[in-house]
Amino acid sequence: SAVISQKPSRDICQRGTSLTIQCQVDSQVTMMFWYRQQPGQSLTLIATANQGSEATYESGFVIDKFPISRPNLTFSTLTVSNMSPEDSSIYLCSVGGTGTTEKLFFGSGTQLSVL
Amino acid sequence: RKEVEQDPGPFNVPEGATVAFNCTYSNSASQSFFWYRQDCRKEPKLLMSVYSSGNEDGRFTAQLNRASQYISLLIRDSKLSDSATYLCVVRGAYSSASKIIFGSGTRLSIRP
Repeated sequence: SAVISQKPSRDICQRGTSLTIQCQVDSQVTMMFWYRQQPGQSLTLIATANQGSEATYESGFVIDKFPISRPNLTFSTLTVSNMSPEDSSIYLCSVGGTGTTEKLFFGSGTQLSVL
Repeated sequence: RKEVEQDPGPFNVPEGATVAFNCTYSNSASQSFFWYRQDCRKEPKLLMSVYSSGNEDGRFTAQLNRASQYISLLIRDSKLSDSATYLCVVRGAYSSASKIIFGSGTRLSIRP
């Protein structure tokens, strides 16, 4: 299993501002994933962060709104830009889920509230 | 129709009871199946994988029925600490996390 450190654990932000969430893994991984979990809902994949190339975004998510960095094989950031109350969610980074490591392991999540 | 469907619950059962959840999936090509547990405001954590032959881990038993496209989770002798949301997770192709589909979860509450 992987140990994933995610921060901040929670934040309350004003409309129109941006928040960057950091995710650090204790081992090198090819892909890191960012999920969103809105209140009472299940997890939705935002994007896959690939080291050395641009992130791959899922339908409904765009780079301008959720820019992602992946400077090395153990670290990634997700920025939630120009926030609105609709962005209030839990954001989770994750590793695994591919190849022989089928299981996903998650960071502890960032609970974001936008006023 | 959702790709993965679960009864949202809540299931409210007394301590010591046996409780079972089902989860149906729509893609017959799905390859792997998991149950995750998520406590309130916490990240999901893997509870168990689900194998075609069925598998057991202590008080937890998981079953897969490919013909009817559902998986189940049985919890025996339930404990107060079992109170959580249980997520059914279904995976398609091996190569991409975008093929991992999460159910919306079944809430379980164990009462003393």
